[in-house]
Amino acid sequence: DIQMTQSPASLSASLGETVTIECLASEDIYSNLAWYQQKPGKSPQLLIYYANSLNDGVPSRFSGSGSGTQYSLKINSLQSEDVSIYFCQQNYDSPYTFGAGTKLELK
Amino acid sequence: QVQLQQSGAELTKPGSSVKISCKASGYTFTSYDISWIKQRPGQALEWIGAINPGSGGTGYNEKFKGKATLTVDKSSSTAFMQLSSLTPEDTAVYYCARSFGAPGWFAYWGQGTLVTVSS
Repeated sequence: DIQMTQSPASLSASLGETVTIECLASEDIYSNLAWYQQKPGKSPQLLIYYANSLNDGVPSRFSGSGSGTQYSLKINSLQSEDVSIYFCQQNYDSPYTFGAGTKLELK
Repeated sequence: QVQLQQSGAELTKPGSSVKISCKASGYTFTSYDISWIKQRPGQALEWIGAINPGSGGTGYNEKFKGKATLTVDKSSSTAFMQLSSLTPEDTAVYYCARSFGAPGWFAYWGQGTLVTVSS
């Protein structure tokens, strides 16, 4: 199975700040990577797919980048509603696998 | 709009089985695979497997073969997952999810079903 390693595990940032979350795949996944946001008690929501494509309705302050085994999610101008857990996920090979998550909090 | 409505929370005993449902609406049920995903507190999400509602064909994560059985009822646009030989490690929230575009981009999720296994 492809292992997905996210960093950091938790992150504290101020409103208006730019934050970056990293995801490392155990092998080349050819940009077949998605990012999800999950708020407490809610289902995950798809933010980014194919490494850098923004899902409909997702604010433009979210962006994704990367290739090969290394990917990142950037949130510009952090808003209070961005406090969540963020997961990366690969769909290059079955079984689809997820990172352990990054918990984003406000400083 | 696309909606996936899951059945309610279950409290079950070790060794028993449970069957949870996911009723789809807002799209043609047979046109998209339904996946099931497990979430335990503090642990990574785990993809259990997927079913093609049109053909009934399934694909499972090896880890969940023998644990999970996926089925559908096309007449009611409902997907089901049965979990057998339950242990406390099966205590989790289980989600159904539908892809869009390529398989594995989960754009639509049910609200989750909490399964608690306890004696």
